[in-house]
Amino acid sequence: EVQLVESGGGLVQPGGSLRLSCAASGFTFSSRWMSWVRQAPGQGLEWVANINQDGSEKYYVDSVKGRFTISRDNAKNSLYLQMNSLRAEDTAVYYCARGYCTSTYCYRTAYDSWGQGTLVTVSS
Amino acid sequence: QSALTQPASVSGSPGQSITISCTGTSSDVGGYNHVSWYQQHPGKAPKLMIYDVSNRPSGVSNRFSGSKSGNTASLTISGLQAEDEADYYCSSYSTSGTLVLFGGGTKLTVL
Repeated sequence: EVQLVESGGGLVQPGGSLRLSCAASGFTFSSRWMSWVRQAPGQGLEWVANINQDGSEKYYVDSVKGRFTISRDNAKNSLYLQMNSLRAEDTAVYYCARGYCTSTYCYRTAYDSWGQGTLVTVSS
Repeated sequence: QSALTQPASVSGSPGQSITISCTGTSSDVGGYNHVSWYQQHPGKAPKLMIYDVSNRPSGVSNRFSGSKSGNTASLTISGLQAEDEADYYCSSYSTSGTLVLFGGGTKLTVL
């Protein structure tokens, strides 16, 4: 069974830092694009960042460039999001999501498994 | 980059069909076939329903179908059932600075 379990969320003051983790199991982690997607309370989904299978390609939404860093450790089957200089508008549930693969192609922009999410609250 | 445009809400009766639109630009929906649709029930994680405009992942009911014309993609749900009541989000690959754009979401109510 595919499982993605996020951790590391919590309450942090503006300007602070947090590191989110996502523990993956039930599939070959190193074969998939991985992503972070967030959802502010009562709002829609917002893509945050993507990383390719070996970590050599990374993409970010403009609003987090220079502040957030996505990374992965394939030996530990884990995905990370280092969040610095946090702002109130970063308050959201952060989901870890797995890129979808068919028998012939692995997608970086479609996600077939999601974690339960971890809540990040930025407030003084 | 602005989110893709979806209607805030749609509704239909059991057994009917509904369509949700998702409008973007030639830099995203109109220029590429990497449009996906997700279903999200309250308090739950999203579920992939459609990828590449019109393809269903294994296990997704064939009552769900997708299409695209110009800069607008559409999700059609036929034979509406009570369990289809949820929020639906479109997403697209984009070349306008952000790799992936999501729509604002559409709340489907089954009357």
